[in-house]
Amino acid sequence: SAVISQKPSRDICQRGTSLTIQCQVDSQVTMMFWYRQQPGQSLTLIATANQGSEATYESGFVIDKFPISRPNLTFSTLTVSNMSPEDSSIYLCSVQPGVGETQYFGPGTRLLVL
Amino acid sequence: EDKVVQSPLSLVVHEGDTVTLNCSYEVTNFRSLLWYKQEKKAPTFLFMLTSSGIEKKSGRLSSILDKKELFSILNITATQTGDSAVYLCAVQAGGTSYGKLTFGQGTILTVHP
Repeated sequence: SAVISQKPSRDICQRGTSLTIQCQVDSQVTMMFWYRQQPGQSLTLIATANQGSEATYESGFVIDKFPISRPNLTFSTLTVSNMSPEDSSIYLCSVQPGVGETQYFGPGTRLLVL
Repeated sequence: EDKVVQSPLSLVVHEGDTVTLNCSYEVTNFRSLLWYKQEKKAPTFLFMLTSSGIEKKSGRLSSILDKKELFSILNITATQTGDSAVYLCAVQAGGTSYGKLTFGQGTILTVHP
């Protein structure tokens, strides 16, 4: 399985500011995803991070609020923009090394917005 | 819209008990069903199921999929306190939504000594 790291592991931010979360994988992977887990809730897909092109966003998530980059096959970033307390969540990146393979999750970033 | 429903939502047992967690799903273009264990932040992969009737086992954990009835079960035998966690079921779609995981609400398992 792929080894995934995320930075930062946690942060406390003021409303109106932005935070960029990094996801690094130890090997090239076909697919990378970003999920959100709000307090007491299950995981919801934000977007699929596409290498070299714009991310594909799920309903209810927009690029202006959650810009995503994926410059190569091992790295992606998610920015949470103009944050409000409702953005307080755990943000998780996941990777799928190849078609038909399992999806693995990074350690997550716990974000608290005051 | 794809949907995954887990039951029970929470379960409290004593060490040594056997538990069965349930997952039912509705998905337009089914590709696979996955089980994860979540203790703190990161879900840890347990099983991926793609074919009906084939049991997957890992130690005290096992899982099986029924694609006709659209459900899966996760069994844990001889439970230990270390099994206490949230167990998540997710369905992966194919087609244009390929890769997307739709998660159930999770089952909170508490194992008392």
